[in-house]
Amino acid sequence: EVQLVESGGGLVQPGRSLKLSCAASGFTFSDYNMAWVRQAPKKGLEWVATISYDGSSTYYRDSVKGRFTISRDNAKSTLYLQMDSLRSEDTATYYCASWAQDWGFAYWGQGTLVTVSS
Amino acid sequence: DTVLTQSPALAVSPGERVTISCRASESVSTLMHWYQQKPGQQPTLLIYLASNLESGVPARFSGSGSGTDFTLTIDPVEADDTATYYCQQSWNDPPTFGAGTKLELK
Repeated sequence: EVQLVESGGGLVQPGRSLKLSCAASGFTFSDYNMAWVRQAPKKGLEWVATISYDGSSTYYRDSVKGRFTISRDNAKSTLYLQMDSLRSEDTATYYCASWAQDWGFAYWGQGTLVTVSS
Repeated sequence: DTVLTQSPALAVSPGERVTISCRASESVSTLMHWYQQKPGQQPTLLIYLASNLESGVPARFSGSGSGTDFTLTIDPVEADDTATYYCQQSWNDPPTFGAGTKLELK
């Protein structure tokens, strides 16, 4: 059974940092591109960042470029999102998901809530 | 960015047929996918590449379209289908989602 389990969310002050993790199991993690997708409270889904299966390529939405860093450890089957200089508008539930252009976001975690507030 | 436009909400009775539309601001070929999100849960993939049913998804769900106009059909609708449905394109960068269509059962 495919499982993606996010962790690391919580309440953080504006300007501070937070690192999210996503532990994968039930599939060959190193074969899959991965992504982070977020959802602000009562709002829709928004793609945040993508990383290639081997970690060689990364992509970010404009609003997080230079502040967020996506990375992965294939030996640990774990995806990460380092979030720096957090803003109130980054408040959301963050989901990790598998990503393929011809398959969409096929596997999803249960999400972890990040609240940026003083 | 490619904007995807969905109607905000629909209300149907169990047993009926419902179509949920998604219009793209520019062509996305057939690189359109559909997701279901029930309250308090993560999204799940229903349809990929416009018309391909994801494994394990009931055959009551189907998708069609190409270019800029796409449709998700549920026939017949069941009570458990109460959810928000999102379209998402992967033809143009960055990948974008529609705002979602909230389906309510009468």
